[in-house]
Amino acid sequence: GAGVSQSPSNKVTEKGKDVELRCDPISGHTALYWYRQSLGQGLEFLIYFQGNSAPDKSGLPSDRFSAERTGGSVSTLTIQRTQQEDSAVYLCASSMPERGMEAFFGQGTRLTVV
Amino acid sequence: AQKVTQAQTEISVVEKEDVTLDCVYETRDTTYYLFWYKQPPSGELVFLIRRNSFDEQNEISGRYSWNFQKSTSSFNFTITASQVVDSAVYFCALKTSGSRLTFGEGTQLTVNP
Repeated sequence: GAGVSQSPSNKVTEKGKDVELRCDPISGHTALYWYRQSLGQGLEFLIYFQGNSAPDKSGLPSDRFSAERTGGSVSTLTIQRTQQEDSAVYLCASSMPERGMEAFFGQGTRLTVV
Repeated sequence: AQKVTQAQTEISVVEKEDVTLDCVYETRDTTYYLFWYKQPPSGELVFLIRRNSFDEQNEISGRYSWNFQKSTSSFNFTITASQVVDSAVYFCALKTSGSRLTFGEGTQLTVNP
């Protein structure tokens, strides 16, 4: 596709359940980022992929959070045993940092834990 | 380590006023990129501009202009003759080689009619 695609756009889950959020970056973009944004707040960094490896995953808030990227393309962010404080919009972005290009963002996944 | 500071949390102006959003960055790298993004109430993050560390030329695009000064590590954004549609949260960001894209906390701009 032409842009970064995230699915689902909305997810409501019960506390304690696991969720998977998916990000399809722009074709050819080697860098992929996950951020989350709580209502009225700034962008909280979660993890950064360069290719399939994650040189910086220091933003993952707990061991309930994990992410992987396969084939240098699609990425999945998994949250295990969800808690109410996990409720936020999860944003994915991709870029070609080798060219200093800007990151393009997806529309986000709005996660609500009830 | 790298850091971006947007000291202005909220700014409120009346339509047609000029407004400047401040951005100060920290990095030890000599090669880096700076960005501004706009996040309107719809929530989508919209890219506005990119600057390279080796290009200090200021840029103007319509009512938008950017002032990049390496001497003060600042990359400020000015909107001339603001309009209600400019109301949004504006984020400044920094990228160096091999590192994450670091965002400031954002500035909420409200333009009142």
